[in-house]
Amino acid sequence: DGGITQSPKYLFRKEGQNVTLSCEQNLNHDAMYWYRQDPGQGLRLIYYSQIVNDFQKGDIAEGYSVSREKKESFPLTVTSAQKNPTAFYLCASSLPDRTHEQFFGPGTRLTVL
Amino acid sequence: AQSVTQPDIHITVSEGASLELRCNYSYGATPYLFWYVQSPGQGLQLLLKYFSGDTLVQGIKGFEAEFKRSQSSFNLRKPSVHWSDAAEYYCAVVGNDYKLSFGAGTTVTVRA
Repeated sequence: DGGITQSPKYLFRKEGQNVTLSCEQNLNHDAMYWYRQDPGQGLRLIYYSQIVNDFQKGDIAEGYSVSREKKESFPLTVTSAQKNPTAFYLCASSLPDRTHEQFFGPGTRLTVL
Repeated sequence: AQSVTQPDIHITVSEGASLELRCNYSYGATPYLFWYVQSPGQGLQLLLKYFSGDTLVQGIKGFEAEFKRSQSSFNLRKPSVHWSDAAEYYCAVVGNDYKLSFGAGTTVTVRA
C-alpha cells in the first residue's frame, strides 16, 4: 500500500533540545515538503525538496533544518533556535508532473515542555 | 505570487442541509486548484481538483466544486451534509513556482 508515513505521532521535547521528525514515502515521488500548522493559520511551508540532495527554504525556514539523502526520506529537524516549535507538522510529496498535486502524511504533533 | 482567500472562518450547518464553502484565488495564468479536508489531528485528504476542461468538478464523499474564471472562484458544495463532514476544509492553488498556497481554512460544524 503506497503512502506517506510520519513518526512519531506525538513528540515531546524539552526547551533547548533539537528534535527530528521522520517522513517516509513509497510513492516514488520526486518532490517532498514540510508544513507547519497552527490554529487559525492554515499551512505554512517550511522546506521543500524537488530532488535528492537538493532542498529549498520555504516561507518559515528559520529554526529548522532538513536533509534529502534518499528519495524516500525527508527528515525535519526542529532546532533550539526555533522560538515557538509547538505545532502540528505535516509532510507531503507530489506527483512528478506539471500539476504538482500533493499527498499528505498523518502529521506529527510536537509539544515543547 | 499566487494566493487563496477563504472568506468564511467557521460555518455551522444542520445535518441534511446543503453546504457551500467559498474560495477565491489570485493567479495570473490558468490555475491548478484543490480542495482538501482535514479531520482533527489528521493529515489532509484530497477532495477534488481542477486542472482544465469541465468547470464543474466531482470529488469524493459527494462533494463538487465549480471553477469560475470570471470571478476567480472555486467554491465547494455538497447537497446534503452528514455529521461526518464536520472538519476543516482547505482550498489551495499551485503557482508557477510549483508550490501549493493554502487558504486559512474553513471549519465546518454539523449540528443534529
